Amino acid sequence: DTAVSQTPKYLVTQMGNDKSIKCEQNLGHDTMYWYKQDSKKFLKIMFSYNNKELIINETVPNRFSPKSPDKAHLNLHINSLELGDSAVYFCASSQRFSSYNEQFFGPGTRLTVL
Amino acid sequence: AQKITQTQPGMFVQEKEAVTLDCTYDTSDPSYGLFWYKQPSSGEMIFLIYQGSYDQQNATEGRYSLNFQKARKSANLVISASQLGDSAMYFCAMRDTGRRALTFGSGTRLQVQP
Repeated sequence: DTAVSQTPKYLVTQMGNDKSIKCEQNLGHDTMYWYKQDSKKFLKIMFSYNNKELIINETVPNRFSPKSPDKAHLNLHINSLELGDSAVYFCASSQRFSSYNEQFFGPGTRLTVL
Repeated sequence: AQKITQTQPGMFVQEKEAVTLDCTYDTSDPSYGLFWYKQPSSGEMIFLIYQGSYDQQNATEGRYSLNFQKARKSANLVISASQLGDSAMYFCAMRDTGRRALTFGSGTRLQVQP
């Protein structure tokens, strides 16, 4: 059983296009995250939602818009894609008020902007 | 602001030997969690081990142990009896009480040689 799933796994698109990445978790967690891993493998938080409420919004261009229809889903929509958006995007989830708070990661979506 | 530092971009170890991957951190929050993740060449993020800031004992999970030295703000990962399958990128990360998102270090690429 997949705990955190993302679709698509690979996404190749042209500059200027709009694309979405979907994420679903079946762990019953109440907090979900989007991380970006750049070409140098550096991972950085982009957004975090707790029970559909945005709680972290790092310095991310407003072309990126997360949407959480329910606490099991957190989608990422990107408008007007740029070359610099090429990266691997990871979705993750955790239980917010847990002392352990391990974050479970999805398999990642490799986005390539041409 | 939180910061995680991994000073070893790459490490080599012989199969069956032990290896220590260094991690130092900086935070003003008295309550925090420290994590290690493994990222093999296939790209997924695999949770390895967790240490809470108030935990009295060093965490252990199978061949992984975390050498937690709070006063020195270090949380080194020790892998005993290295296996070829341990070859991967290893990330140290920290989560503070407030944000709940993870702040990652730059990673260490470990190569296990036969």
